Amino acid sequence: QSALTQPPSVSAAPGQKVTMSCSGSSSNVGHFLVSWYQQFPGTAPKLLIYDDKKRPSGIPDRFSGSKSGTSATLDIAGLQTGDEADYYCAAWDSSLSLTIFGGGTKLTVL
Amino acid sequence: QVKLMESGGGLAKPGGSLRLSCEGSGFTFSDAHMSWIRQAPGKGLEWISYLSATGMYVSYVDSVRGRFIISRDNAKRSIFLQMHDLRGEDTATYYCARGKNWFDKWGPGTLVTVSS
Repeated sequence: QSALTQPPSVSAAPGQKVTMSCSGSSSNVGHFLVSWYQQFPGTAPKLLIYDDKKRPSGIPDRFSGSKSGTSATLDIAGLQTGDEADYYCAAWDSSLSLTIFGGGTKLTVL
Repeated sequence: QVKLMESGGGLAKPGGSLRLSCEGSGFTFSDAHMSWIRQAPGKGLEWISYLSATGMYVSYVDSVRGRFIISRDNAKRSIFLQMHDLRGEDTATYYCARGKNWFDKWGPGTLVTVSS
């Protein structure tokens, strides 16, 4: 069982906006910075968001991150079929002294 | 261009050992904190070990502590994961990644299968 909780799946139509949640606790999301990763089947994860809301170079501004309390959110606007992938959140956990990942959310673009 | 490339995966018997390697290029390797992260087939990501840039600080997830050893050779631009007493639950794709709390570059991964 992951210490960070993500919905197993979300779906939306092309062009729409989707929101994915990542729920934690005061020992992780509540006090430490969150990152988000995109993973296509059979490939390595790719960093989308770090420090809650910063985007690495090359990541489109359609991808945005935010956080409130012990929950973080990844928004993807203007959905494209090429966005279909698994998305993971991660954060340092002070009680476990390690970086933990959420269980992942599978995005389907209908 | 930053690149990471893992090697050393394969089939091991329960109780056996394997040594994974990860070579980096395109960045100042000796300045980089590095981690190993694994993914069991059809499952999510699990961070398992971290090694600081200087090699002074290491950490492990409980499930591998005492069985796995992370190390690095900055002259060879490489990190390693020596795995002992392998178990079926260690079957996974193992990724090396740059970073400690967030990971900006990942290798393509190497598959470790533990089976008799």
